[in-house]
Amino acid sequence: DTGVSQDPRHKITKRGQNVTFRCDPISEHNRLYWYRQTLGQGPEFLTYFQNEAQLEKSRLLSDRFSAERPKGSFSTLEIQRTEQGDSAMYLCASSPDRGEKLFFGSGTQLSVL
Amino acid sequence: QKEVEQNSGPLSVPEGAIASLNCTYSDRGSQSFFWYRQYSGKSPELIMFIYSNGDKEDGRFTAQLNKASQYVSLLIRDSQPSDSATYLCAPNRDDKIIFGKGTRLHILP
Repeated sequence: DTGVSQDPRHKITKRGQNVTFRCDPISEHNRLYWYRQTLGQGPEFLTYFQNEAQLEKSRLLSDRFSAERPKGSFSTLEIQRTEQGDSAMYLCASSPDRGEKLFFGSGTQLSVL
Repeated sequence: QKEVEQNSGPLSVPEGAIASLNCTYSDRGSQSFFWYRQYSGKSPELIMFIYSNGDKEDGRFTAQLNKASQYVSLLIRDSQPSDSATYLCAPNRDDKIIFGKGTRLHILP
């Protein structure tokens, strides 16, 4: 059990560019969650998966955001045409099953210049 | 009304005293409640969860739940400097886990 792994740890990009983040959950964890966190705020729910199925996406999430979990293992989060307001820590978490606790990765810190 | 409300603090508590952290939530369909601790620059880690009304104790931590009042709290007994962190309340409804803003706790040596 190597924990939840996220890549990259840091990403600096220019406004208007596309970025993609990867999350590798703990093996055999069915549930995978994406959150976004800014300074002084709690993690904001973005979306979550049960295996390869995306069960819910936040209504607050722009169409520029998309997430996939193609084979029910790793997941990617893509942000198109980044804006300065997208600057945040993007956290991935996994859990063994419904109602179970979340195990968080170390996050990807995005800075949009 | 926000889905999860917590006093952002900082809450300052002398070492050895009891720290009391409170949380209210708006979704009556919430089925379980988690408390996560987050140190500065780190990811959240689970410290307690509770499903039923009443108290649940684990070491120095006690979680209290009152579903009728939509209120959940966390008590930390014998507070230690290592307890200084942000504490996040997280109700769970149908596996969608929503976090509060968190309460910053500072234990005074």
